[in-house]
Amino acid sequence: GAGVSQSPSNKVTEKGKDVELRCDPISGHTALYWYRQSLGQGLEFLIYFQGNSAPDKSGLPSDRFSAERTGGSVSTLTIQRTQQEDSAVYLCASSPTGLFTDTQYFGPGTRLTVL
Amino acid sequence: ELKVEQNPLFLSMQEGKNYTIYCNYSTTSDRLYWYRQDPGKSLESLFVLLSNGAVKQEGRLMASLDTKARLSTLHITAAVHDLSATYFCAVDPFNNDMRFGAGTRLTVKP
Repeated sequence: GAGVSQSPSNKVTEKGKDVELRCDPISGHTALYWYRQSLGQGLEFLIYFQGNSAPDKSGLPSDRFSAERTGGSVSTLTIQRTQQEDSAVYLCASSPTGLFTDTQYFGPGTRLTVL
Repeated sequence: ELKVEQNPLFLSMQEGKNYTIYCNYSTTSDRLYWYRQDPGKSLESLFVLLSNGAVKQEGRLMASLDTKARLSTLHITAAVHDLSATYFCAVDPFNNDMRFGAGTRLTVKP
């Protein structure tokens, strides 16, 4: 079956621009997670959704970051006024149920480069 | 501040040998995760350990969790080249606030 997909696969943007990153989870998966991976900070957990709800947004690096999930399916991570330190690979994962107790299935990631 | 420390960070081993990767963390957590990442690829979930004494095995990899010692191990048995990858551990001490280790880059040589 289809796995987790993310788009775009690569995004190059100029400092100060807004970007939207999209994640399509595996059909029927309740939980969805966003992470980012950078050379400087390593792997970081950003936010998760249980259905359409994100109970805890404290992992988002700043108020320039926001995320939403609609219809219990697709999620969008939006970064406003991008900065060079936002350059990273953004990974999305989904799992069938529950909060971090299931196996997570990862998408291929979106590589964001902020010039 | 929560710290998750893996060691070694780099590991080069010969095929057929055994070795253990260690993951120490600085605060109480009943949940620990192991992931694999191949070069240039995304993450793959290997193990989810949910209680003290949990042990899980998949092929040549076995993971265990000692919550009292705040230690998890990933044991590699009779390594093969296909196991070459970077392995990350992560803990979730505050419910849904995962923290990752820096990763162990494993190279298995013929």
